[in-house]
Amino acid sequence: NFMLTQPHSVSESPGKTVTISCTRSSGSIASNYVQWYQQRPGSSPTTVIYDDNQRPSGVPDRFSGSIDTSSNSASLTISGLKTEDEADYYCQSYDSFSRVFGGGTKLTVL
Amino acid sequence: EVQLVESGGGLVQPGGSLRLSCAASGFTLSRYDMHWVRQATGKGLEWVSGIGTAGESYYSGSVKGRFTISREDAKNSLYLQMNSLRAGDTAVYYCARASSSSLPFDDWGQGTLVTVSS
Repeated sequence: NFMLTQPHSVSESPGKTVTISCTRSSGSIASNYVQWYQQRPGSSPTTVIYDDNQRPSGVPDRFSGSIDTSSNSASLTISGLKTEDEADYYCQSYDSFSRVFGGGTKLTVL
Repeated sequence: EVQLVESGGGLVQPGGSLRLSCAASGFTLSRYDMHWVRQATGKGLEWVSGIGTAGESYYSGSVKGRFTISREDAKNSLYLQMNSLRAGDTAVYYCARASSSSLPFDDWGQGTLVTVSS
């Protein structure tokens, strides 16, 4: 099985752009789609990006996803940061039926 | 409207057992892959177990042999039988729905807290 590694925390000012990385330990990042979830305190996670770079309806286009095979990583980019974006973000992929989560990144918008 | 409502959490002693339930409404549970995901307080999400539309079941290494996932189609419900519980199993347990293995969890319940302590 593989692991997904995320930075523990990131912080940025309102209006700026932040990128959260998710590095796969073995196997190609392109082998299996990567999903991104947002989790606010006390709430269940919600999907902000699926299938590497697709946005569910209702998610603002300030959220975008990408993969980079050279660094074997996926990235979630949030532009025009708002205070409401402050949350924990998790990347997730899969290995056959099993799901693999990254450790999560706490985004602080200050 | 899709709803997933977990129940059955509580305080249990190490070595004990607990059965979690997830009642689904707004969709037919057996037509989706269903999963259990847990989250210890202040920690990240951890996939625990899943059951496919054909009834095949899968487990993480940390719970294999101790937990059993099942569903009851007549009640449109998902279950997680947890045996030989350990302190490390203490977490909020979420049930979640996915359309296939390559797609994200598109709906989550609110979670139920399991505390394993003497």
